[in-house]
Amino acid sequence: SQQGEEDPQALSIQEGENATMNCSYKTSINNLQWYRQNSGRGLVHLILIRSNEREKHSGRLRVTLDTSKKSSSLLITASRAADTASYFCAPHSGGGADGLTFGKGTHLIIQP
Amino acid sequence: DTEVTQTPKHLVMGMTNKKSLKCEQHMGHRAMYWYKQKAKKPPELMFVYSYEKLSINESVPSRFSPECPNSSLLNLHLHALQPEDSALYLCASSPGGAGGREQYFGPGTRLTVT
Repeated sequence: SQQGEEDPQALSIQEGENATMNCSYKTSINNLQWYRQNSGRGLVHLILIRSNEREKHSGRLRVTLDTSKKSSSLLITASRAADTASYFCAPHSGGGADGLTFGKGTHLIIQP
Repeated sequence: DTEVTQTPKHLVMGMTNKKSLKCEQHMGHRAMYWYKQKAKKPPELMFVYSYEKLSINESVPSRFSPECPNSSLLNLHLHALQPEDSALYLCASSPGGAGGREQYFGPGTRLTVT
């Protein structure tokens, strides 16, 4: 798999506001996955969006994918303190059980 | 059961010790992974097992030795580690198969090498 590049690297917002983070990648993909990691803990899978999908929702999360621009965005609406975490995108271009390659992530802080 | 468990949670070992990390899943997943994560860095892939066979080894030093005794278990045997090997070791599993699927991560083992 290839590495995605998340932007911004850090984001601080007030509780209740929306948070948007972006991911860019270099070559064509089968799917793109977003993960969350709370401080010092394991990663949690959030959403997988396939290359033929443009938008996907899961609760307060909305992910978009623009394969022509090789980019994806993750929107978290009505943010909560518990959303404070690092968020990683993982573009997946191989077949089968490839491992994931993570970028530096976006570190999101929700201020009370 | 949608959980990946890892034991121990914390491990402190000397450079001459031999220890093992254990990972278990009962989701019927056929792919399992080891990642290493240093402080304030993203996880880095170490090994991939697919259908109990080692399919990817990301040029990991031989002092790390993975083992997949059956489809539910994954071990990482540690020997003669260096202080720079101190990190959070994460195990993950996925259904496997073509196209790449989401991965389920365990909480990790925090390893300190003294």
